[in-house]
Amino acid sequence: DGGITQSPKYLFRKEGQNVTLSCEQNLNHDAMYWYRQDPGQGLRLIYYSQIVNDFQKGDIAEGYSVSREKKESFPLTVTSAQKNPTAFYLCASSIGRRNTEAFFGQGTRLTVV
Amino acid sequence: GENVEQHPSTLSVQEGDSAVIKCTYSDSASNYFPWYKQELGKRPQLIIDIRSNVGEKKDQRIAVTLNKTAKHFSLHITETQPEDSAVYFCAAPVGGTSYGKLTFGQGTILTVHP
Repeated sequence: DGGITQSPKYLFRKEGQNVTLSCEQNLNHDAMYWYRQDPGQGLRLIYYSQIVNDFQKGDIAEGYSVSREKKESFPLTVTSAQKNPTAFYLCASSIGRRNTEAFFGQGTRLTVV
Repeated sequence: GENVEQHPSTLSVQEGDSAVIKCTYSDSASNYFPWYKQELGKRPQLIIDIRSNVGEKKDQRIAVTLNKTAKHFSLHITETQPEDSAVYFCAAPVGGTSYGKLTFGQGTILTVHP
């Protein structure tokens, strides 16, 4: 499993806490994405970044924050403002040109306890 | 933005039968349509994609067809095998973007019974 790595695989959070999910890629991809996966709802885009030091909100950005200080890294913070954070989170990257394949990490399953 | 609808949500077939999953999209500017397969507990992986300059593409037992006029595309799996059991997602690029941001369908859970 090289290319794009997410950690941890499982994460438990108490209500009211912020948590950060890690995503690292060694594919030299310019673009990176965070998706949330819930049963029956497919993959919904949270945030995306086209280049270093730039990122944009996706369809469900409320309660999340990101940073892109390095090309290889795109961490996602799930804040206490996110009402229903329990989900499977997938990070992806692509070359950045239109119509190119997105490569996914193995995912992080976040559970609020 | 792009809206992608995928049907059916679940599909059950006997081994050796064919399976067809259909998707519709809204943005007529979309010109790239990938299909991803996600096995239980694993990451989605690209299995086939098609660009708008062709109407059909095949890769062994899988094929994708595209109808740009009707704005729909379909995944066809022939001679299904139990290892084809997974969740399948279609996707289309968000119109007007200069990079590969995708909108995904809701997913189809395919079960192939031995």
